[in-house]
Amino acid sequence: AQTVTQSQPEMSVQEAETVTLSCTYDTSENNYYLFWYKQPPSRQMILVIRQEAYKQQNATENRFSVNFQKAAKSFSLKISDSQLGDTAMYFCASLYAGNMLTFGGGTRLMVKP
Amino acid sequence: DGGITQSPKYLFRKEGQNVTLSCEQNLNHDAMYWYRQDPGQGLRLIYYSQIVNDFQKGDIAEGYSVSREKKESFPLTVTSAQKNPTAFYLCASRPGQGVVYTEAFFGQGTRLTVV
Repeated sequence: AQTVTQSQPEMSVQEAETVTLSCTYDTSENNYYLFWYKQPPSRQMILVIRQEAYKQQNATENRFSVNFQKAAKSFSLKISDSQLGDTAMYFCASLYAGNMLTFGGGTRLMVKP
Repeated sequence: DGGITQSPKYLFRKEGQNVTLSCEQNLNHDAMYWYRQDPGQGLRLIYYSQIVNDFQKGDIAEGYSVSREKKESFPLTVTSAQKNPTAFYLCASRPGQGVVYTEAFFGQGTRLTVV
């Protein structure tokens, strides 16, 4: 079974500062895709960023960027200039051949004013 | 508007009764998923379907059943065999095979409470 592990159940950051959320995954596949999703209090799942495993360049979306270390099977999310609206649960997810989409246990992020 | 609709938003059932959660999508997606989320926890995969008339068990399929008779619909039945069914249930879809670099789109969820 594929596994995704988020080792930080909760984190906090001051507004305007930078925070990094960790994610590791376990796979024997060579081609796969990784995602970070955000779940605000409304509980609606929102895609933050995606990364293709065969691409060495780290994905970036505005204030959000990833550090993808394929050999270490690590996929961390960096949020720069944190905003109050970034307060949410963040989930790391992996997608492999066969369409199985697996999520980690989540990290609850609190942005403090 | 295209999207995924889960209904109802809140559902109450008596212990021992089966209950079916609805999930409909008009995105023309092949793959559909059901997840369970307990308070403060991650999403655990119950079942997923890659194509009509096909589905696979996820990590916690016991006590649940699904069907995929139509591309746009993937209902989940929570049976009386599920020992602790109270949870938040999320349905998702994505294009599926051949269009791999796409994320899953989610419905707004159904909160099931068994009393």
